[in-house]
Formats: sequence, structure tokens, C-alpha cells
Amino acid sequence: QVQLQESGPGLVKPSETLSLTCTVSGGSISSYYWSWIRQPPGKGLEWIGYIYYSGSTNYSPSLKSRVTISRDTSKNQFSLKLTSVTAADTAVYYCARASDGSGSYYFWGRGTLVTVSS
Amino acid sequence: SYVLTQPPSVSVAPGQTARITCGGNNIGSKSVHWYQQKPGQAPVLVVYDDSDRPSGIPERFSGSNSGNTATLTISRVEAGDEADYYCQVWDSSSDHLYVFGAGTKVTVL
Repeated sequence: QVQLQESGPGLVKPSETLSLTCTVSGGSISSYYWSWIRQPPGKGLEWIGYIYYSGSTNYSPSLKSRVTISRDTSKNQFSLKLTSVTAADTAVYYCARASDGSGSYYFWGRGTLVTVSS
Repeated sequence: SYVLTQPPSVSVAPGQTARITCGGNNIGSKSVHWYQQKPGQAPVLVVYDDSDRPSGIPERFSGSNSGNTATLTISRVEAGDEADYYCQVWDSSSDHLYVFGAGTKVTVL
């Protein structure tokens, strides 16, 4: 069974860079699409972007200028960097795996809350 | 970019049927997925590819998709079905983006 676990600082200062890592167990990241999705408190889900097993990436247009998703296949991890954060970036951040083809998310991490505050 | 429209809330009595709609331009040509999210938990996939159920999801959950509307139907609603429900598509026609609806809160009366 594939399991995903987010890790990283729970508090980030405004204007700094948010960095999170997703560690995958029970399966290789050398297949499928690996995504980051966030959810501000009390609000809905927002797709941030993905990295494909080939290494190609795709990002939400609204975040594209500030987002980088990368991977470390030797550690079976992928990561998120979001620059110049503001309070609006406060959210629970999830990592998830999308299926090939129609893109449903069956496997999710538990999520990690990141608060942007000085 | 592609937009999915869901009603903010749906209320249903136990044992009755809840229907949650997800509107989008020609959504019938796309594969729609549905997630259930309870407070403090990660979303759970309950229907994928319009009408298929992952292993372990009760048959009470079903989906359909045609024209400009996809629908998640929960039959014989139970108290444990109270949650937020999100629809999602992969917009392969627009830079392969993943899109979520804003979510529907299902309240069991």
C-alpha cells in the first residue's frame, strides 16, 4: 500500500520561502503523477502542481511564478518550494498521487499545516 | 481555465437520497472524480471516472456525468456521510491542469 508523508516547518515568516517534502513508501515515484494540493482553513481544495515520473512539471497558473516542485528519486521523495509567501498561503498542504489517464487522487498524505506569520 | 460549480450545501434526512451536482462546460466529455472529506482528515476518493467506486467504498455512493452536469448520489444516507464533497477533473485540453470544485457540505438532518 502506497503511503505519503509530508514534512517541513509549520511556521514560515512573510516574504520567505515555504519548503515541504513528501516521502513516499510502498511504491516508487518513478511512476505516476505526484502532486501538491493545499486547503486554507475553512476553505476548499486548491491544486498547486505536479511532477511526473519523467521529471516534467506543471503548475497552477495562479501560483506558477512562485512554485517549484522537484524530486529525489534516490530518497523516493518529492518537494515543494513556494517563494514570497504571505498570510494567504496559510493552509494545510497535502501531497498526493494521481493516476495515469484520468487523474484521480487515490493516495493522499495526512496533510501538514503551514502558517505564515511573523 | 476550467471552472467547476457546486452548490455550497445540501441537507438530507437519514435514509433518504442526497444528490450533489458539479457543473462545468461540456463536463460530460471529461472524467469526473469525487472526494469525501471529514473535519481534520485528508480527502477520500469515493467515485472515480464518473461512476466507478474504489475498493471499500459502499455501493450507496454512485456517480453519473452527462452534458454540463456531473452528479454524485448518496443513497440511504447515514449520519456518517456528513462531510464536505468535492468534484475534480483533469483538464487535458488546457495545459493538463487539475481542477477542483469549491465543495458541497452535506448535512444529515
